[in-house]
Amino acid sequence: AQSVTQPDIHITVSEGASLELRCNYSYGATPYLFWYVQSPGQGLQLLLKYFSGDTLVQGIKGFEAEFKRSQSSFNLRKPSVHWSDAAEYFCAVFQAGTALIFGKGTTLSVSS
Amino acid sequence: DVKVTQSSRYLVKRTGEKVFLECVQDMDHENMFWYRQDPGLGLRLIYFSYDVKMKEKGDIPEGYSVSREKKERFSLILESASTNQTSMYLCANSRGGGTEAFFGQGTRLTVV
Repeated sequence: AQSVTQPDIHITVSEGASLELRCNYSYGATPYLFWYVQSPGQGLQLLLKYFSGDTLVQGIKGFEAEFKRSQSSFNLRKPSVHWSDAAEYFCAVFQAGTALIFGKGTTLSVSS
Repeated sequence: DVKVTQSSRYLVKRTGEKVFLECVQDMDHENMFWYRQDPGLGLRLIYFSYDVKMKEKGDIPEGYSVSREKKERFSLILESASTNQTSMYLCANSRGGGTEAFFGQGTRLTVV
């Protein structure tokens, strides 16, 4: 079965600083990969997705992610974090025949 | 605005009760899912459905069942609620084929 690992449970970043959230997956073929964000008390919102093609994908809210097959990674980045980015972030991979399989999430705190 | 709507944001039920969590979509998507979200564990798949009257077990189906009598509605049933089923429950849908999932706002269930 496929799996997703988010090594960082909690990250604190200063407002205006850059951000990178790590995600590693296990999957034999080319994966379908996703990043979601969840603000407190809310459902999950899709930030971006990778299916094929260009390994650097752009998403909403100024986020981007890079697919690196050699490292089995799909890290999320943002050049300058805003206080409103404080939330929980989930990486997911599509498992054929079933559904999206999620990592355990990374909580982002933004300090002023 | 397309939506996945969960009937309740908050529920409090007693141990042993039969509990119904309702989810309705207006997106005409084939696939629907129920996930459970717990701190530190991320989202775990309970059940999913690819078609009306069709259901498949996810990773943690024990203690749950589902019903999909119509394409737009997918219900999660707790046959006899227990305190360890206190959690956030998230409904989602997708077009299938590895495309992204769209989530409802979630139902926070407390079993006392």
